[in-house]
Amino acid sequence: SQTIHQWPATLVQPVGSPLSLECTVEGTSNPNLYWYRQAAGRGLQLLFYSVGIGQISSEVPQNLSASRPQDRQFILSSKKLLLSDSGFYLCAWSGGKNEQFFGPGTRLTVL
Amino acid sequence: SQQGEEDPQALSIQEGENATMNCSYKTSINNLQWYRQNSGRGLVHLILIRSNEREKHSGRLRVTLDTSKKSSSLLITASRAADTASYFCATGELSGGYNKLIFGAGTRLAVHP
Repeated sequence: SQTIHQWPATLVQPVGSPLSLECTVEGTSNPNLYWYRQAAGRGLQLLFYSVGIGQISSEVPQNLSASRPQDRQFILSSKKLLLSDSGFYLCAWSGGKNEQFFGPGTRLTVL
Repeated sequence: SQQGEEDPQALSIQEGENATMNCSYKTSINNLQWYRQNSGRGLVHLILIRSNEREKHSGRLRVTLDTSKKSSSLLITASRAADTASYFCATGELSGGYNKLIFGAGTRLAVHP
């Protein structure tokens, strides 16, 4: 069966510090991968998606970047965090069907 | 951009009652999906309905889709306290070779014992 992992689960970082969130998928190959951000009490905003290694598409201009160094690894990064980067970050994958499967999320607080 | 908009934003019912949540959207879709999120957790896929389908069932869940009105509804029958969660609709559009999902803001459902 397929599983998706995210870490860390929670993170508190000062403004201006770097960020690296990691997502890995097990039990499937060549998945589409996604990074979403969820503001408190709101829906999900798609940040990045990837259909293959090294292929990243950005949905919104922002302070963040994404990379896919391996088939089942997706990383969300920032060189300098802003207060507005605070939120709940969710990684998801999809295969041949249209539904997406989500990881447990990372709660980021920028102080 | 946000395509799906859920209604109501919050719903409070007693165990055993039915819960109905609605979703409206603006553009053509390939499919529409409903997801559930427990507080502070990831989303769980509940059901997918394709644009050429009108109704779909899964256990106590019933989803309808009216493409002429650009709306969908999720009915949870005989609700339980464990159904307490936020429910999101997401419209699926074919984009760049994959099914792009656009989520609404969600309905917060509270089921009281």
